[in-house]
Amino acid sequence: GAGVSQSPSNKVTEKGKDVELRCDPISGHTALYWYRQSLGQGLEFLIYFQGNSAPDKSGLPSDRFSAERTGGSVSTLTIQRTQQEDSAVYLCASSSRPGLDTNEQFFGPGTRLTVL
Amino acid sequence: AQTVTQSQPEMSVQEAETVTLSCTYDTSENNYYLFWYKQPPSRQMILVIRQEAYKQQNATENRFSVNFQKAAKSFSLKISDSQLGDTAMYFCAKLGGNNRKLIWGLGTSLAVNP
Repeated sequence: GAGVSQSPSNKVTEKGKDVELRCDPISGHTALYWYRQSLGQGLEFLIYFQGNSAPDKSGLPSDRFSAERTGGSVSTLTIQRTQQEDSAVYLCASSSRPGLDTNEQFFGPGTRLTVL
Repeated sequence: AQTVTQSQPEMSVQEAETVTLSCTYDTSENNYYLFWYKQPPSRQMILVIRQEAYKQQNATENRFSVNFQKAAKSFSLKISDSQLGDTAMYFCAKLGGNNRKLIWGLGTSLAVNP
């Protein structure tokens, strides 16, 4: 497909379990972002990957959260020992290299995570 | 810390009428980008319109236009001839020149009534 895809669409898990959320960016986009959208809140930046540079992890809320991006394409966000406050929609976005004539971030449909 | 403020949690408008959503922000940068995104119930975040801070001319995209007041740090969105499909959450966001993170407002829920 031409857009950003995320899987799963919905994930229900029990408190204390680990979860992995996947993001496939638009082909050729070098930048990839993860955001968290909690109920009634705006989007909260989590992590940013740009090419082969070290990721900007400054938004990760705790050391239970980690993310990797393999081969400069697919990214996985992992949440270990999930807590109820982790329940949110996790959105992934990609963009062409920053500094070019567009700074638009294209978003995937998100993964709704529910921690029971 | 940089902030983006949307002071209207909810708004409604009659179909075919015009509505304006407000957004203010805080920054010390001279060059940056501002965005309005639309999020319908499908959760898909869709770019509505973009403004580059160094451009004085207000951006326009069909029925959508902005009133960008750089000195006042204000970036409002005007939707003309509102349509039922415009019903969605609208988020204002700012992208810094050196910082690739989007800073988001809390959103305005817009309902277009028939």
